[in-house]
Amino acid sequence: GNSVTQMEGPVTLSEEAFLTINCTYTATGYPSLFWYVQYPGEGLQLLLKATKADDKGSNKGFEATYRKETTSFHLEKGSVQVSDSAVYFCALSDPLGQGAQKLVFGQGTRLTINP
Amino acid sequence: SAVISQKPSRDICQRGTSLTIQCQVDSQVTMMFWYRQQPGQSLTLIATANQGSEATYESGFVIDKFPISRPNLTFSTLTVSNMSPEDSSIYLCSTTGTSAYEQYFGPGTRLTVT
Repeated sequence: GNSVTQMEGPVTLSEEAFLTINCTYTATGYPSLFWYVQYPGEGLQLLLKATKADDKGSNKGFEATYRKETTSFHLEKGSVQVSDSAVYFCALSDPLGQGAQKLVFGQGTRLTINP
Repeated sequence: SAVISQKPSRDICQRGTSLTIQCQVDSQVTMMFWYRQQPGQSLTLIATANQGSEATYESGFVIDKFPISRPNLTFSTLTVSNMSPEDSSIYLCSTTGTSAYEQYFGPGTRLTVT
């Protein structure tokens, strides 16, 4: 079945450092890809998405590019802030039938940014 | 995107009891989903709930353990039955946005079973 593999955490960086969180996937067909973020004590929020190959999703300074040739969707940010400390989940859409989709999530990567 | 609320936000329950979690959406939606996030783990889909039909369960989840109701287009409940400590998790409901490929999540219900 479809699956997502994420870089294991936790990841600890200093403020203003460059961030990469790796995500690779296995899927039949052409899924949509997502990054979700879970801030401490909060629910899951959609951070960005890409629906086809070579699409770049971006939001709040984060970017990820849908790479079909390497089946990857790595999350990057040029200069992280303390407020970016959270758990990040990579996910793909998996058809359920009748047009419905479920999400298949990676294991999550806990990111801590130190001032 | 839809605004989703859940009740309760957290609970501590004794083994052998049942808990019903409510999920309310601020707009009418066709599909609602229930996920489980076990401690330190990722999210796993429990079932999909469409209004007016029986919920569809993923492999490893059964209706007797996780009965779901979907009485209208804005509301759903998930019951965790005959609980054991292994049921301690965060339970989240979600629904789709303008695209069937996007999902938006409620804040979750943190359940601890003692």
